[in-house]
Amino acid sequence: ELKVEQNPLFLSMQEGKNYTIYCNYSTTSDRLYWYRQDPGKSLESLFVLLSNGAVKQEGRLMASLDTKARLSTLHITAAVHDLSATYFCAVEISRDMNRDDKIIFGKGTRLHILP
Amino acid sequence: KAGVTQTPRYLIKTRGQQVTLSCSPISGHRSVSWYQQTPGQGLQFLFEYFSETQRNKGNFPGRFSGRQFSNSRSEMNVSTLELGDSALYLCASAPGNYGYTFGSGTRLTVV
Repeated sequence: ELKVEQNPLFLSMQEGKNYTIYCNYSTTSDRLYWYRQDPGKSLESLFVLLSNGAVKQEGRLMASLDTKARLSTLHITAAVHDLSATYFCAVEISRDMNRDDKIIFGKGTRLHILP
Repeated sequence: KAGVTQTPRYLIKTRGQQVTLSCSPISGHRSVSWYQQTPGQGLQFLFEYFSETQRNKGNFPGRFSGRQFSNSRSEMNVSTLELGDSALYLCASAPGNYGYTFGSGTRLTVV
């Protein structure tokens, strides 16, 4: 069964601290996405990771991909309250795999940063 | 460059009614996918259209249908609405097979 598992699912942390969200997936993938979602809003694309060893950074967020381990991480450095949101990883499945759902989402990590 | 546009943003309907949601993809994108997001089930794939043809369909009842027009704009229709259809409906467009960008979503409330 194809799965995308995020952990933790809930995270409450203090401002200024560092933390990492993990995303494990169970199949080969062409692309891995990280999205941010604020309450009641749509998905905002943060990163697209295309190849093994890919690392991307934007502000206090850094994402990496290890395709051999089927693992992606989203690292938060010196967290600030504005980063409070739900973060989703999503794995894009190759069309050759003959599946109906081409993007499989994790359940999301609800991040709450305490001022 | 304009993003993916979904209309309306919010909608309230009564059980038993039907509803049509619209999605205008990024210019040049030919693929449009629809997702339903609920607190309990998370993000679930509804269907995907490419060049006016349904390419894939998720595990939803036949009350959920869609179509795509020659300009790549897509509509999703839900008939005989149920309370459980209350959700955020998201569409995503892509140039071809990869690289999805999501719209702002339509929040449907069924009362």
